[in-house]
Amino acid sequence: AQSVSQHNHHVILSEAASLELGCNYSYGGTVNLFWYVQYPGQHLQLLLKYFSGDPLVKGIKGFEAEFIKSKFSFNLRKPSVQWSDTAEYFCAVSQAAGNKLTFGGGTRVLVKP
Amino acid sequence: GAVVSQHPSRVICKSGTSVKIECRSLDFQATTMFWYRQFPKQSLMLMATSNEGSKATYEQGVEKDKFLINHASLTLSTLTVTSAHPEDSSFYICSAETGGAFWETQYFGPGTRLLVL
Repeated sequence: AQSVSQHNHHVILSEAASLELGCNYSYGGTVNLFWYVQYPGQHLQLLLKYFSGDPLVKGIKGFEAEFIKSKFSFNLRKPSVQWSDTAEYFCAVSQAAGNKLTFGGGTRVLVKP
Repeated sequence: GAVVSQHPSRVICKSGTSVKIECRSLDFQATTMFWYRQFPKQSLMLMATSNEGSKATYEQGVEKDKFLINHASLTLSTLTVTSAHPEDSSFYICSAETGGAFWETQYFGPGTRLLVL
């Protein structure tokens, strides 16, 4: 069975700081990779996804993620965060031929104004 | 577009009663819907996958007789927690997608918080 781990449970940073959230998965086959965000009081929204091609994926709101197959990683980055990026971020993985998502434990990000 | 709603948003019930949670895709037809459960400070755990007009597929460890899922139309799936007990208290989230292909995006509902007394 596949599993997804997010290394940081909580991250606190100031506006304009750079953000990087780690995500590693355990599955030997081909995978599809996702980052979802959940703003306070709102539902999960898709930030970006990777299926194939360029391993550097750009998503909404200035986020990007890089798939490094050799490291089984799909880290999320944003060069300069804003207070409005305060949210919980979830990494998720599905097998290439399937659509069932396995989620990581989530990382709560607090951006101080 | 791609809005998914859930009703109710929160429910409190007595132990032993059954609770029904609805998941609707408001502006698209959802061939496949998913039900997740989220415990406090934990991640989402997939409970089951339902396809319109067929029986749901449950994940290992999820009791299908306890969590009844019906996907009667392309815009509605329901989850019924039967004979609820306090340990069933949780946050239940549904998602929907237009097809069953891996490239489809899942759109999530806002969740339903269930408290069983």
